[in-house]
Amino acid sequence: EAGVTQSPTHLIKTRGQQATLRCSPISGHTSVYWYQQALGLGLQFLLWYDEGEERNRGNFPPRFSGRQFPNYSSELNVNALELEDSALYLCASSLVPGAQGETQYFGPGTRLLVL
Amino acid sequence: QKEVEQDPGPLSVPEGAIVSLNCTYSNSAFQYFMWYRQYSRKGPELLMYTYSSGNKEDGRFTAQVDKSSKYISLFIRDSQPSDSATYLCAMDTGRRALTFGSGTRLQVQP
Repeated sequence: EAGVTQSPTHLIKTRGQQATLRCSPISGHTSVYWYQQALGLGLQFLLWYDEGEERNRGNFPPRFSGRQFPNYSSELNVNALELEDSALYLCASSLVPGAQGETQYFGPGTRLLVL
Repeated sequence: QKEVEQDPGPLSVPEGAIVSLNCTYSNSAFQYFMWYRQYSRKGPELLMYTYSSGNKEDGRFTAQVDKSSKYISLFIRDSQPSDSATYLCAMDTGRRALTFGSGTRLQVQP
């Protein structure tokens, strides 16, 4: 069974530009989560999408946004990039919508570098 | 103060040793507890998942949760060089926003 896939693997942008990161969940999973793993800050929750709706949001500014498509894949957009946005962006998916504590399975991540 | 505290290590042990990894937390609303393993430049891989206090065993791995002390542990028996990685504890109140520890880097020497 294929795991969570993310593209691109690496992305280089300059300050002020926009970045778009993509994620395909495990087949049959309907919930998608985004996390940021920045040096010195650890893994931090960004967003949770389920059935096309944003269900929960972490403590990040509005320039971090995303969406979930009808096929449950997801896109994370980061506008007005800042140097501190340089990080590994991880996508995760889970199986059962609405089930508390449903385990999350992570993809390999997209490494974003902002120059 | 961070919600989840984890010793960053590095922790270096000889092959075959028993490894003990720990996290403490301050938020009593955490109900679900996970351990992930992350190899360099890879995404985290789920190792163990527990709900409420108690022990759970899976092969060489044992997870313990003590909610009264707000303390969780992961034990690795018969450690192997392939276990060398960063181990992350994670916790969830049920809102699906996992809160992670900073990770403990483990090195198992052959």
